[in-house]
Amino acid sequence: DAKTTQPTSMDCAEGRAANLPCNHSTISGNEYVYWYRQIHSQGPQYIIHGLKNNETNEMASLIITEDRKSSTLILPHATLRDTAVYYCIVRVEGNNAGNMLTFGGGTRLMVKP
Amino acid sequence: DAGITQSPRHKVTETGTPVTLRCHQTENHRYMYWYRQDPGHGLRLIHYSYGVKDTDKGEVSDGYSVSRSKTEDFLLTLESATSSQTSVYFCATSSGTYNEQFFGPGTRLTVL
Repeated sequence: DAKTTQPTSMDCAEGRAANLPCNHSTISGNEYVYWYRQIHSQGPQYIIHGLKNNETNEMASLIITEDRKSSTLILPHATLRDTAVYYCIVRVEGNNAGNMLTFGGGTRLMVKP
Repeated sequence: DAGITQSPRHKVTETGTPVTLRCHQTENHRYMYWYRQDPGHGLRLIHYSYGVKDTDKGEVSDGYSVSRSKTEDFLLTLESATSSQTSVYFCATSSGTYNEQFFGPGTRLTVL
């Protein structure tokens, strides 16, 4: 699986958009980009995933560059409840290894009033 | 969210004692996973299951065993707990498609 690089921490003002970057320069053509987050003392929570097109759901938007070497998770109107560690994961979909996910250090997002 | 429960939620035990953690799901998901989370290491996969009685090792499987006799239950056993196994343990499930995993609330285990 391709390795990802994320900033260790970021701050965002409440109500503003939070833009979380992820570099995955060694991504292969069949690898997807996934985002999870973990709020303090809870289990990780799936946010969104994509292959090459931009994706949007009720939680966030995912922007993947044309060369697929980096992506950005966008929380359009961050709230205090979005304070969490955000993990960017690159993974081949549905391989025989049981869809294991490899979590790195992630980005600690602090949303401030 | 998928119905995933873990028991116990907290446990304190002594070195050398056996410990079993239980993960129960109500979503009929094929895949189940056990992770541990430690400061500075993120989440690391211990074991996973791809069906009843079908399990395999993850990244940090030494000192752990698992069993899955029913679709809904996945047990993690520490045969002889050590202090290095003090951690927060998370169970997760997946239907096998799109890699979306649903996580349980976690079990905080302290080995004295």
